Amino acid sequence: DAGITQSPRHKVTETGTPVTLRCHQTENHRYMYWYRQDPGHGLRLIHYSYGVKDTDKGEVSDGYSVSRSKTEDFLLTLESATSSQTSVYFCAIATEGNQPQHFGDGTRLSIL
Amino acid sequence: GDSVTQMEGPVTLSEEAFLTINCTYTATGYPSLFWYVQYPGEGLQLLLKATKADDKGSNKGFEATYRKETTSFHLEKGSVQVSDSAVYFCALSERRGNNRLAFGKGNQVVVIP
Repeated sequence: DAGITQSPRHKVTETGTPVTLRCHQTENHRYMYWYRQDPGHGLRLIHYSYGVKDTDKGEVSDGYSVSRSKTEDFLLTLESATSSQTSVYFCAIATEGNQPQHFGDGTRLSIL
Repeated sequence: GDSVTQMEGPVTLSEEAFLTINCTYTATGYPSLFWYVQYPGEGLQLLLKATKADDKGSNKGFEATYRKETTSFHLEKGSVQVSDSAVYFCALSERRGNNRLAFGKGNQVVVIP
């Protein structure tokens, strides 16, 4: 395994509440990514980071924010969760350039 | 922007049958191409990759060849097993930029004993 831990693994919450998902890596990789996986859409990039405090938006970033204050942790925050954000969220890490990404086991988030 | 297209629908086949999953891509530069596999309840695992035209990636009996002329990266396996039942994703990564991956929608493969 690539040394990636996502927490929590499962969460159920209500519409309008804030939610933070954590991705922790032990590989000291520069790049970290957050994806969401939904039926019929494959994986879609939410945000990514290319270093401490360096982040950028992906294709479905609306309603999400991220922070990376240290190399090993990448946090994804839903400021005010909506039912459309019910999904499985995956974190991934990579070294440089076009090297393969390695994925965590996912967080299943349900927003009622 | 860059995109990946996989054939529609699940794939159901019998054990020891030949498997092909089609993948075509659109990219402005010279991408690296990947196949990832996802087993139930797990994250994605890299299955194989190819970084330039005519490269063949292979792993666990699976193969895919980077075809620049047809912008394709089809996945094949000569004799599938029940344990190959999973979802398979084709993806590309541009050489420039921040290693962003564009994924296809995935294909569910079910192998029947």
